[in-house]
Amino acid sequence: DQQVKQNSPSLSVQEGRISILNCDYTNSMFDYFLWYKKYPAEGPTFLISISSIKDKNEDGRFTVFLNKSAKHLSLHIVPSQPGDSAVYFCAASADQGAQKLVFGQGTRLTINP
Amino acid sequence: NAGVMQNPRHLVRRRGQEARLRCSPMKGHSHVYWYRQLPEEGLKFMVYLQKENIIDESGMPKERFSAEFPKEGPSILRIQQVVRGDSAAYFCASSTSFPTQYFGPGTRLTVL
Repeated sequence: DQQVKQNSPSLSVQEGRISILNCDYTNSMFDYFLWYKKYPAEGPTFLISISSIKDKNEDGRFTVFLNKSAKHLSLHIVPSQPGDSAVYFCAASADQGAQKLVFGQGTRLTINP
Repeated sequence: NAGVMQNPRHLVRRRGQEARLRCSPMKGHSHVYWYRQLPEEGLKFMVYLQKENIIDESGMPKERFSAEFPKEGPSILRIQQVVRGDSAAYFCASSTSFPTQYFGPGTRLTVL
């Protein structure tokens, strides 16, 4: 049962343009949503998070949007830079219980010069 | 401030041997989580520990896997009698409070 889904395995974007990564979830108990970036042979690096009481959170070039009614969130990166090329994971967590992170399968973002 | 440390970074074991993976959380972090990533998949939760306590092990296989986080020293993930299907990247994360977790570089286990 995949509670967090990233339906696009890969995405290619031109440098300087906007990158939009999407994520859907099924569990309405999730309170927080996080995005992580991962380079090969390294651990995931935390990028940005959003609470379920908000619909937008912004940090520099990164903005996360949350649509609770659609159970959908997206990460916008603008402008995209070559160093942004990595695998991006969406994760969700519920404040009750173990507080574990439930991850999507990841989207490989490639920024083309 | 050092990040989450994991060692070894790479571990090769033959079928039937034991694997021990170590994780030192970030300074001041009292919550430790272990995740496993199979090739081309996302990370899957295994276990959540605080000092001397297992809080949630719902993601741990029922046999051969165990974890601890002693009062002193690193957290240990132990896999007994490894099989080829245990080959994966194992990541440790630590946190001070819900929800943000900070990950280590991972241990890549290869079972021959």
